[in-house]
Amino acid sequence: IAGITQAPTSQILAAGRRMTLRCTQDMRHNAMYWYRQDLGLGLRLIHYSNTAGTTGKGEVPDGYSVSRANTDDFPLTLASAVPSQTSVYFCASSVLAGVNEQFFGPGTRLTVL
Amino acid sequence: AQKITQTQPGMFVQEKEAVTLDCTYDTSDPSYGLFWYKQPSSGEMIFLIYQGSYDQQNATEGRYSLNFQKARKSANLVISASQLGDSAMYFCAMRGNYGGSQGNLIFGKGTKLSVKP
Repeated sequence: IAGITQAPTSQILAAGRRMTLRCTQDMRHNAMYWYRQDLGLGLRLIHYSNTAGTTGKGEVPDGYSVSRANTDDFPLTLASAVPSQTSVYFCASSVLAGVNEQFFGPGTRLTVL
Repeated sequence: AQKITQTQPGMFVQEKEAVTLDCTYDTSDPSYGLFWYKQPSSGEMIFLIYQGSYDQQNATEGRYSLNFQKARKSANLVISASQLGDSAMYFCAMRGNYGGSQGNLIFGKGTKLSVKP
């Protein structure tokens, strides 16, 4: 693989269920990010990780958690999904936090009913 | 607070003509970076061009150029010789510093560009 992969591509989920969105990069980038994209709102930061072992909250972190056990993986967990979490979720990475462009994964389209 | 504003929800351009997509920003940081991304209908986010706040020259990448006017806090994207494949959403973004992230991106709401044959 090259770049960032996300899984699943899409998912329909019942409200109240737990869900983990997976993100893996093979570029050995230190920084990783999760964004959600909603129509008319652009992309908003959910959580970030400047380096393996550290995470932080972004603009819209409520209802989401992340972990960064190693450099390559940055899963996003919805502990108890709600319909307002229906969105397209993008994982991104950059060589270092604050250094030039971020590379994005293909996205996960999540629908919570 | 940092903010990106894109005032054009949609734009039309004739194939082979140039088009300018507007972006204004607000930040109190003396050092910042500005980005443009393209999102085609397939959904992926594609990096186009980057401008650093201390860069003396406007950034260019092939048919893309960034018209950076620091005093006006604008970073407009210029696409020359538009092609049908340029039809997409275009997002302006600024490197933010949300909490301790040091490098998250703050996005505008986007401009949908449609290229007419």
